[in-house]
Amino acid sequence: DAGITQSPRYKITETGRQVTLMCHQTWSHSYMFWYRQDLGHGLRLIYYSAAADITDKGEVPDGYVVSRSKTENFPLTLESATRSQTSVYFCASSEVGRGRDTQYFGPGTRLTVL
Amino acid sequence: AQSVAQPEDQVNVAEGNPLTVKCTYSVSGNPYLFWYVQYPNRGLQFLLKYITGDNLVKGSYGFEAEFNKSQTSFHLKKPSALVSDSALYFCAVRDGTNAGKSTFGDGTTLTVKP
Repeated sequence: DAGITQSPRYKITETGRQVTLMCHQTWSHSYMFWYRQDLGHGLRLIYYSAAADITDKGEVPDGYVVSRSKTENFPLTLESATRSQTSVYFCASSEVGRGRDTQYFGPGTRLTVL
Repeated sequence: AQSVAQPEDQVNVAEGNPLTVKCTYSVSGNPYLFWYVQYPNRGLQFLLKYITGDNLVKGSYGFEAEFNKSQTSFHLKKPSALVSDSALYFCAVRDGTNAGKSTFGDGTTLTVKP
């Protein structure tokens, strides 16, 4: 399917477990992003990637790991989940330059850490 | 550091009346400004953006926004609100030289009453 997809859509896990959230886009956009959305905080950038094998930290990177071996995939891993990481996670992709720059968002993953 | 302020958590308007959702920003370089809308249990959808050019930007669904450099504002407007416009609206800013790091406001919930 065309567009940007996230899996799973819902996930319940326990404190200390490793969790990986998947993100896949079909547009070959160079930039990809991970955000978390919490009540009262809007969206906060966790990590972004400018291209395959190029990643950089955002505002709240602690406790998260990303990789980007292929342009279309940008998985987010919580190495040892904590309750404070309960949130809704959004992946986005974008091209930049020449007036583009719009971010296209996935449907989100609702993660609950017990 | 860049920042976005959406001073109103909630805006209520009657259907058919004009609406304004406020946004002010702070960024060190040239601002790239965006408005996104989020419907319940969905990802964010792009509405409009200002990168350069005319200060009045027109976007999707009849929305428009005016870039005001002296007041560092980018308020979202619509001449006649619809009940279906009820949603959560986010303003975002990034520095024109850093495509990776966008900052989102905390969001404004717009409720349009019949």
